[in-house]
Amino acid sequence: SQQGEEDPQALSIQEGENATMNCSYKTSINNLQWYRQNSGRGLVHLILIRSNEREKHSGRLRVTLDTSKKSSSLLITASRAADTASYFCATDGETSGSRLTFGEGTQLTVNP
Amino acid sequence: NAGVTQTPKFQVLKTGQSMTLQCAQDMNHEYMSWYRQDPGMGLRLIHYSVGAGITDQGEVPNGYNVSRSTTEDFPLRLLSAAPSQTSVYFCASSYARLAGGWAQYFGPGTRLLVL
Repeated sequence: SQQGEEDPQALSIQEGENATMNCSYKTSINNLQWYRQNSGRGLVHLILIRSNEREKHSGRLRVTLDTSKKSSSLLITASRAADTASYFCATDGETSGSRLTFGEGTQLTVNP
Repeated sequence: NAGVTQTPKFQVLKTGQSMTLQCAQDMNHEYMSWYRQDPGMGLRLIHYSVGAGITDQGEVPNGYNVSRSTTEDFPLRLLSAAPSQTSVYFCASSYARLAGGWAQYFGPGTRLLVL
């Protein structure tokens, strides 16, 4: 079964708006990562947040982690049409080492 | 660096045929893995390796074999293809660490259709 579950499954917004995607997971983790996948391509790593961190920024990306709620959110600010992609969260558990468990993803569409 | 490369990009097989999906990385990563991606199911781990000569099963290993004779290469073998193995296959690599925490680098994928 999948460790992570993203919400919403699909999100459609206008260019310039902010996009927020959520991820929930079931077991204790060491780290949580977010990946992006453009249509027909492989996944690209965006950002990693460790279990002892609460918030992390990278350019227009902001990730939060709430280990008490076993949830994370990815915020993309001032979205662009080029941000259109699927976004996945992935977790590595306390005993899984480098193995990642992926959620089902959120399909983001940014309309020009 | 070429990163993670996969061949072929697309393959059509008949039920019962066997084939090998190739994966190579030039980043000297210890950890390599194979995932399959199906609509609505995200990525599921098939097999992984934490170094040459070491492999282990992931979430959906049945019908697949792997080997890791070198750090660079991690081929995935389909022993007797079935329509249920129609999917997109991704290879990924990263540094290995007990506590994880390394970004994984993905190949472009292999689209497999089993008739």
